[in-house]
Amino acid sequence: EDQVTQSPEALRLQEGESSSLNCSYTVSGLRGLFWYRQDPGKGPEFLFTLYSAGEEKEKERLKATLTKKESFLHITAPKPEDSATYLCAVLLVWVNYGGSQGNLIFGKGTKLSVKP
Amino acid sequence: ETGVTQTPRHLVMGMTNKKSLKCEQHLGHNAMYWYKQSAKKPLELMFVYSLEERVENNSVPSRFSPECPNSSHLFLHLHTLQPEDSALYLCASSHAHTQGLNGELFFGEGSRLTVL
Repeated sequence: EDQVTQSPEALRLQEGESSSLNCSYTVSGLRGLFWYRQDPGKGPEFLFTLYSAGEEKEKERLKATLTKKESFLHITAPKPEDSATYLCAVLLVWVNYGGSQGNLIFGKGTKLSVKP
Repeated sequence: ETGVTQTPRHLVMGMTNKKSLKCEQHLGHNAMYWYKQSAKKPLELMFVYSLEERVENNSVPSRFSPECPNSSHLFLHLHTLQPEDSALYLCASSHAHTQGLNGELFFGEGSRLTVL
């Protein structure tokens, strides 16, 4: 069964304390891995796309990396404004008699709190 | 206006009511999506419209009925809902891909639905 697991469920950091969030997946037919940020009461905001093992993307204090079985979101010297829930999703594409089909499977997210 | 706009932001309805959620995107995208977000559960894809044709419904109960009159507007018609349907309903848009879904989604802020 295709599955996306994020850990930890919640993470509390002090301002400036670097850490990493994990997204592991057991899927076949991976076509991409995506990171989103979601603030309370808002919709998710797209952050990164990773397509192949070894790929890295950076944006301000965030860096996303991808291996064959998992992705990490590294947060360097976080600030209180980085507090949010971070969602990981994997895009699957398969071919059947009806043609190509796809699905985007989300993890449950990691709730990050950064205290000043 | 820019981005993806959802109305209403909050909706309370009885189980016998009929209501609709509306979504409008100003990003020039040609694919639109409805997602359901419940507490402690991953985002669940409900419906996809790509180039104004429905391509996915993921076995959603018939009490949810989508409508996509053009590439900028998406509706979710609700009738005879159950209390377990209470959730945040998120609309998203993206560029359409020929191989199914696109993982780079732009979400609205959601419509918080409470069914009494």
